[in-house]
Amino acid sequence: AQSVAQPEDQVNVAEGNPLTVKCTYSVSGNPYLFWYVQYPNRGLQFLLKYITGDNLVKGSYGFEAEFNKSQTSFHLKKPSALVSDSALYFCAVRPKDSGAGSYQLTFGKGTKLSVIP
Amino acid sequence: SAVISQKPSRDICQRGTSLTIQCQVDSQVTMMFWYRQQPGQSLTLIATANQGSEATYESGFVIDKFPISRPNLTFSTLTVSNMSPEDSSIYLCSVEEFRDGYTFGSGTRLTVV
Repeated sequence: AQSVAQPEDQVNVAEGNPLTVKCTYSVSGNPYLFWYVQYPNRGLQFLLKYITGDNLVKGSYGFEAEFNKSQTSFHLKKPSALVSDSALYFCAVRPKDSGAGSYQLTFGKGTKLSVIP
Repeated sequence: SAVISQKPSRDICQRGTSLTIQCQVDSQVTMMFWYRQQPGQSLTLIATANQGSEATYESGFVIDKFPISRPNLTFSTLTVSNMSPEDSSIYLCSVEEFRDGYTFGSGTRLTVV
């Protein structure tokens, strides 16, 4: 069974500083990896995904993530944080190969990002 | 990417009653997923709904408690039956739109009193 670990419940960063939200995963075979953001009282918004190819994936709102197969990680990054980036961030994984349950996403517990003015 | 209309956006319900949540997609999709997000928690998959077949439920979720309908390729409903305060959560539907990532509805915030 697949799993996702987001080791930090909360990340605090000053506005203008770079931010990193960590994610590691466990899945049989190759993974498809995703990051989503959830603002208060809102649904989930897609940020970016890794399917194949370049390990550095660029997504919405200036976010990017780097796939590291050897470390089974997919950390979310942004060079310069904005106060408006403050939200709850979820990492998710699904196995690349077809099979029972392969289409469902497994989510991490989420990391609350607070960007301090 | 697909646009999902989910309603109601929120509701406060009496224990012992049932609530049906609707998701309408603006395009035909094969798979729809229903998730629960308990307060302060991550998303947990309740079931996968394919058109024309019974929904597939995850461990810990049963059809009697969470009946699902999928009458066509653009619509699905999830009913939360015989509600208790423990059912207070956000419920979200999702569709597989792989090229654009999975798309989620805006969620239904349910409070059971």
